[in-house]
Amino acid sequence: GAVVSQHPSWVICKSGTSVKIECRSLDFQATTMFWYRQFPKQSLMLMATSNEGSKATYEQGVEKDKFLINHASLTLSTLTVTSAHPEDSSFYICSARTGEPSGANVLTFGAGSRLTVL
Amino acid sequence: GQNIDQPTEMTATEGAIVQINCTYQTSGFNGLFWYQQHAGEAPTFLSYNVLDGLEEKGRFSSFLSRSKGYSYLLLKELQMKDSASYLCAVVDSNYQLIWGAGTKLIIKP
Repeated sequence: GAVVSQHPSWVICKSGTSVKIECRSLDFQATTMFWYRQFPKQSLMLMATSNEGSKATYEQGVEKDKFLINHASLTLSTLTVTSAHPEDSSFYICSARTGEPSGANVLTFGAGSRLTVL
Repeated sequence: GQNIDQPTEMTATEGAIVQINCTYQTSGFNGLFWYQQHAGEAPTFLSYNVLDGLEEKGRFSSFLSRSKGYSYLLLKELQMKDSASYLCAVVDSNYQLIWGAGTKLIIKP
C-alpha cells in the first residue's frame, strides 16, 4: 500500500533555532498533503494544507510565517518551524490522500515528528 | 458549530468485546473514518463508512446511522495490542475532515 515517509522522528533543538520536517510520498504522487499538530491526549489539529506548486492554505490561528510550508514536488512537502520556542514543542504529523481503499480518499499518515524545544 | 463526541476513555478485558461510540453534528456528511493511534505514533486507517449499516473487517466492525448522526466501532476478541486511542473523523460538506478527540482504550489481562 501507499506509504508516507516523515523524518526526523525526533528532534531536540534550542530555542530560537529553526527545524525542518520532511514528508515524502513513496510510490505515489501527492498533489496535496496535510500537516497536523497534536498535543498530548488531544486530537489532531489541522495546521495547513500543502499544495504542490502553490502556496499552502493555513487554518485560522496558524502563523504562516512561523510554520513555513513548501511543496516543491509531487512527492515532497516540508514544514519548517522558524525561531522555535518551547511552546512549539509538539507532535507534528503529515498525511496525504491515497484514494484507497475503494476511492474513499483515506488519509495515510507519516510516522510523525516529535519536536522538543529547550 | 461542528462537533464530534466520543468517550474519553474506556477499559475492557482481553478476549472480550468493546463498542466505542461516536456521535456527530456537522455541516453535511461525506463519510466517517475510524483511525487507530498507538501512543507516540501516527494514526492508521481502520474503516470508512458512507452508507448506513455495518461494515465488518476481521475482528473490527464499524456501524453508521446517518439519520442519527451516530457511528460505533466494535472490537471483538480483544488483544493487548488493541490498547490505543481510536479516533472518529467525519468528512463534512466541504470535504474537510472533522476530528473527534479520540477514545483511549485500555485492555486489561
